[in-house]
Amino acid sequence: QVQLQESGPGLVKPSETLSLTCGVSGYPISLGHYWGWIRQPPGKGLEWIGSIYYGGRSYYNPSLKSRVTISVETSKNQLSLELSSVTAADTAVYYCARTLGIAAGMEAFDIWGQGTMVSVSA
Amino acid sequence: QSVLTQPPSVSATPGQKLTISCSGSSSNIGNNFVSWFQQLPGTAPKLLIYDNNKRPPGIPDRFSGSKSGTSATLVITGLQTGDEADYYCGAWDSSLTAVLFGGGTKLTVL
Repeated sequence: QVQLQESGPGLVKPSETLSLTCGVSGYPISLGHYWGWIRQPPGKGLEWIGSIYYGGRSYYNPSLKSRVTISVETSKNQLSLELSSVTAADTAVYYCARTLGIAAGMEAFDIWGQGTMVSVSA
Repeated sequence: QSVLTQPPSVSATPGQKLTISCSGSSSNIGNNFVSWFQQLPGTAPKLLIYDNNKRPPGIPDRFSGSKSGTSATLVITGLQTGDEADYYCGAWDSSLTAVLFGGGTKLTVL
């Protein structure tokens, strides 16, 4: 059974860098899927942050691109998210997710982590 | 404001059929696949429909999807109280090279 688990600090100070990891169990991260990060501010809708293929090809939300880095560590079977220069607007539940497969749409996230709440506050 | 437009809310009674629309443009829905997600309160989104009209294993056939031009539709038949949730459409945008989500539709089963 494929499972994703986000982890990282629940509180980040303004202007600092938010760092999260997503541990993947039950499935090799290098097996031909895109892996992504999606966030959801309290009471609001879903916002895609970016997606990465294990080989390194990545795509980012144009509105966040200058502040985001997504990487894959195949040895640890995990993916990571770094979001720099955070503000209160970055307060959200952050999800990692897997896409169905290389032939499916990039938006077809079929397996999701439970999400982790990150607040940005001094 | 989302590039993919959904009605903010819809409501219906148990047993009814319901449709949720998702409107986009040629750079996203018009030339790419559409997915639909269900988000129950306090939980992560769940993939209901992918590739416009395909269901992942375990998704009941009460849920179906279609696409015409630059719009997509999610249809739910035999509504149940357990279907109360937020529903999101999603699509790749070839111009932005980005995944887009609709703003979400809150379904209330009266």
